[in-house]
Amino acid sequence: QKEVEQDPGPLSVPEGAIVSLNCTYSNSAFQYFMWYRQYSRKGPELLMYTYSSGNKEDGRFTAQVDKSSKYISLFIRDSQPSDSATYLCASGGSYSTLTFGKGTMLLVSP
Amino acid sequence: NAGVMQNPRHLVRRRGQEARLRCSPMKGHSHVYWYRQLPEEGLKFMVYLQKENIIDESGMPKERFSAEFPKEGPSILRIQQVVRGDSAAYFCASSLPASGINEQFFGPGTRLTVL
Repeated sequence: QKEVEQDPGPLSVPEGAIVSLNCTYSNSAFQYFMWYRQYSRKGPELLMYTYSSGNKEDGRFTAQVDKSSKYISLFIRDSQPSDSATYLCASGGSYSTLTFGKGTMLLVSP
Repeated sequence: NAGVMQNPRHLVRRRGQEARLRCSPMKGHSHVYWYRQLPEEGLKFMVYLQKENIIDESGMPKERFSAEFPKEGPSILRIQQVVRGDSAAYFCASSLPASGINEQFFGPGTRLTVL
């Protein structure tokens, strides 16, 4: 079983839609949960991170972690064409390296 | 404040040659991580280094691959006797000294093509 799993998509939505991106993880030791955005042929860009369970909001983005079900979510409100990218979730424990999912490709059409 | 820098951005090698990839971390960052990304694959961890120390190389192939982060200068990922299967995007990330929160910031990557 892979440690972090993500549906590869693509996920296609119209502009203005609410987007839900999800990951599951298997390692109970993971405490930190990151979301990265990667545009085509660019490096990943850190969007948000959360520690343990709970929600974190930053503008149009909300990250949610449910440790009981080992489920990680990223919600994007009022999605824009510029949000079209691949979204990578990543998890890790304290002082450890990160394990990444394969990424979900998001396409927001105008 | 410049971000993580990697060079070259594109590298073409013939089978059997050596590839050297360089990474300069963000200012103030002393931890460097190397990842490999194949098409349709996620980022795969290769090695984690601090200055003059390899902390975790569990993701690095045992042969032909090596990494260093000297006291002065960039971190270098070296691939000897490259094969076609080494063609990939190689990303470097850096972070502050470990504080429990492993925020890693990525460079633009080096795209290696082996002919």
